[in-house]
Amino acid sequence: AQKVTQAQTEISVVEKEDVTLDCVYETRDTTYYLFWYKQPPSGELVFLIRRNSFDEQNEISGRYSWNFQKSTSSFNFTITASQVVDSAVYFCALSGYGNKLVFGAGTILRVKS
Amino acid sequence: GAVVSQHPSRVICKSGTSVKIECRSLDFQATTMFWYRQFPKKSLMLMATSNEGSKATYEQGVEKDKFLINHASLTLSTLTVTSAHPEDSSFYICSARDRRATTTDTQYFGPGTRLTVL
Repeated sequence: AQKVTQAQTEISVVEKEDVTLDCVYETRDTTYYLFWYKQPPSGELVFLIRRNSFDEQNEISGRYSWNFQKSTSSFNFTITASQVVDSAVYFCALSGYGNKLVFGAGTILRVKS
Repeated sequence: GAVVSQHPSRVICKSGTSVKIECRSLDFQATTMFWYRQFPKKSLMLMATSNEGSKATYEQGVEKDKFLINHASLTLSTLTVTSAHPEDSSFYICSARDRRATTTDTQYFGPGTRLTVL
């Protein structure tokens, strides 16, 4: 069975701090995709990144960066110099055989000014 | 590109009535659409997978007679909550997968529909 664990239920930081959101996954599939989504208070899910299981290169997009390590089954997400607008719920998700998305429980990020 | 819309965004109905929620892919064709349910402060739970022209596949524990799904075209899927009760109040989100995306697996999400049953 596939499973995504986001152990951090809620994180509070002060603006300009760096913050890392953890994601650990379980799957028996050799080919799979990992995702991060942002859900602001409006409720709409915003796609942030997709990574396939064969690409372990880390990625940076502006203040966002992702660290994918198959050895530890982790796909962590770091926001550098956080801003109040980053406040949201962040979901890590996994898609494997059958193409169903399995979501983690989500991490609430609160960035205070 | 890859925009998915949902209508209505919010709906309040009386207990016992039925509510239909539409999910449309606006700029791409989607052979597969997914329906999720999200309770307050909880994660998204997949309810069913909707394939164009065929019956939906429901996840374990989801009542197919309660949540009717129709995927009549490559751009439209509907979810009907029949005989709604207060416990059906929730945030319903649909997603769609681009039929051209055979090598990737990105689902594009709609903005969600907040259902409140009185």
